[in-house]
Amino acid sequence: DAGVIQSPRHEVTEMGQEVTLRCKPISGHDYLFWYRQTMMRGLELLIYFNNNVPIDDSGMPEDRFSAKMPNASFSTLKIQPSEPRDSAVYFCASSPDRDPEAFFGQGTRLTVV
Amino acid sequence: AQKITQTQPGMFVQEKEAVTLDCTYDTSDQSYGLFWYKQPSSGEMIFLIYQGSYDEQNATEGRYSLNFQKARKSANLVISASQLGDSAMYFCAMREGIRYSTLTFGKGTMLLVSP
Repeated sequence: DAGVIQSPRHEVTEMGQEVTLRCKPISGHDYLFWYRQTMMRGLELLIYFNNNVPIDDSGMPEDRFSAKMPNASFSTLKIQPSEPRDSAVYFCASSPDRDPEAFFGQGTRLTVV
Repeated sequence: AQKITQTQPGMFVQEKEAVTLDCTYDTSDQSYGLFWYKQPSSGEMIFLIYQGSYDEQNATEGRYSLNFQKARKSANLVISASQLGDSAMYFCAMREGIRYSTLTFGKGTMLLVSP
């Protein structure tokens, strides 16, 4: 398996624009996590899914953020409208049901100017 | 309250020496898992080692070992024979519950290995 695949790797956008980050988890994994990493706040869990169902979205900062997992092989994190304070590295991770280890994608570095 | 506490923002070690990175955790669950991840300057998150709460032996993976002290709720990472390539950010993390739900990270420790 190729591992967790995130796209794009880098995104630069203007304030107010919509941004969509994409994630393909490892095949067969039941859990999918979205994290945001900044210098100030470290690694924050935004939302996680189990079997495509959102379980905990309490980490989503505000209504501008939304996440979907329409099927077991694809998830998106959308920010609309984007703001400069959303600039961060966004990681997607997945793990199987019976194995606690979570595998991370390479991350998407988002810059909102 | 923080679930994972890493009290060392930065650590320095000389090449070939051993180093211990501290991690304490807080949970009321009896079943949980503890992890260490490495994040080099390139940014990827690399899984290093895992310890289950019911594991009686300390986990080891090559030069990495996890010093698990359940009563003290600590899960320190020991890196033996440090190498220059070990310079990176190190994160301690925990998953709680029988179904291993969310994965919570500490703030991290920056390790610098000097020649």
